Amino acid sequence: NAGVTQTPKFRVLKTGQSMTLLCAQDMNHEYMYWYRQDPGMGLRLIHYSVGEGTTAKGEVPDGYNVSRLKKQNFLLGLESAAPSQTSVYFCASLMVQGYHTDTQYFGPGTRLTVL
Amino acid sequence: EDKVVQSPLSLVVHEGDTVTLNCSYEVTNFRSLLWYKQEKKAPTFLFMLTSSGIEKKSGRLSSILDKKELFSILNITATQTGDSAIYLCAVEAVQGAQKLVFGQGTRLTINP
Repeated sequence: NAGVTQTPKFRVLKTGQSMTLLCAQDMNHEYMYWYRQDPGMGLRLIHYSVGEGTTAKGEVPDGYNVSRLKKQNFLLGLESAAPSQTSVYFCASLMVQGYHTDTQYFGPGTRLTVL
Repeated sequence: EDKVVQSPLSLVVHEGDTVTLNCSYEVTNFRSLLWYKQEKKAPTFLFMLTSSGIEKKSGRLSSILDKKELFSILNITATQTGDSAIYLCAVEAVQGAQKLVFGQGTRLTINP
């Protein structure tokens, strides 16, 4: 199993450009998450999904959109990138069985710089 | 608003020292507290704590939760340079989607 993978690993954008980050997991997990990590601020939840075709807003959703058309993929879109979106983006997935929850499994991250 | 605060934010010690990292929280409908270690890339899971007073142990690392005082500590004994990392504390609230609220992290540096 590859676990959770993210593409691309690095990207530099100019202000106003758009891009999509792809997260893929091969563990058949129901839940998927997108976080951003900025220096001194830990991880903050952007959007999440509890199943194929469903998405919901997290703590810092403004400026981002997401889609979960297939269970294994969770896409994060930036329609018009801003310098404030310079960050490291992590995707995570989770298997849930009833009340029991496992830990979230994280991808390797995407470092995005917006000039 | 749910909040997780870690202290110290940064810590530098010598190899062989013992360190204690702190995590306090204010969360509605607490479900669990998790510790992660983050080196260069993705956070990797260390512990999940759900019950007060029960120590979880893995080698030189151990952690305990106090649900009355709303905090957890992570201890690392006989530290090694490979323990250098950011340690993240996260709390899960019962909201149906295991949404985690993370603290700022503690950057631990172990000098030889």
